[in-house]
Amino acid sequence: EAQVTQNPRYLITVTGKKLTVTCSQNMNHEYMSWYRQDPGLGLRQIYYSMNVEVTDKGDVPEGYKVSRKEKRNFPLILESPSPNQTSLYFCASSPGTGVRQPQHFGDGTRLSIL
Amino acid sequence: GQNIDQPTEMTATEGAIVQINCTYQTSGFNGLFWYQQHAGEAPTFLSYNVLDGLEEKGRFSSFLSRSKGYSYLLLKELQMKDSASYLCAAAGTNAGKSTFGDGTTLTVKP
Repeated sequence: EAQVTQNPRYLITVTGKKLTVTCSQNMNHEYMSWYRQDPGLGLRQIYYSMNVEVTDKGDVPEGYKVSRKEKRNFPLILESPSPNQTSLYFCASSPGTGVRQPQHFGDGTRLSIL
Repeated sequence: GQNIDQPTEMTATEGAIVQINCTYQTSGFNGLFWYQQHAGEAPTFLSYNVLDGLEEKGRFSSFLSRSKGYSYLLLKELQMKDSASYLCAAAGTNAGKSTFGDGTTLTVKP
């Protein structure tokens, strides 16, 4: 089954404790992206990757890092999480030309930073 | 920059027709997407317009006017399961950057 898989689905942690949210897709898509979704603010793009070893900032990259060492994986790293990073996070992928094609979303990761 | 506006909430009756509007401003234009998102779930793709006009897909249709920076999603024969948030998203010149509207929460009542 074609899918985007995120882990963990839920995480409660404390300020300053490094964490990684993994994202993996099995559709051989070139493009991958991370979003956060907060009430009343819609989906905001954090980082994206057009292909392996190519990453770039979205609209809200502060406090986040990403890497794209393999086509299928695009982990989101919070080096020193803070409470304002409490949010619902989605990973997405699409073939070829990035956001000019429909994106496939993972089921989301709900992060709570205390 | 890019900006997208859509109504925050709409309510409609089962069996009726509803139109959800979206206006956008982008640096260049490479397509307008509509996604559906049920509460607590991931967004799923509904429709895509890159040329002016109407695209029809079953009960859902989407319209685009590039000159007006305007799109709408039309839902016919509304069902209770159509209660969800509908997200408008525009693709600009930068193929990697994606801008979403805040979403329109549609409530379908019996």
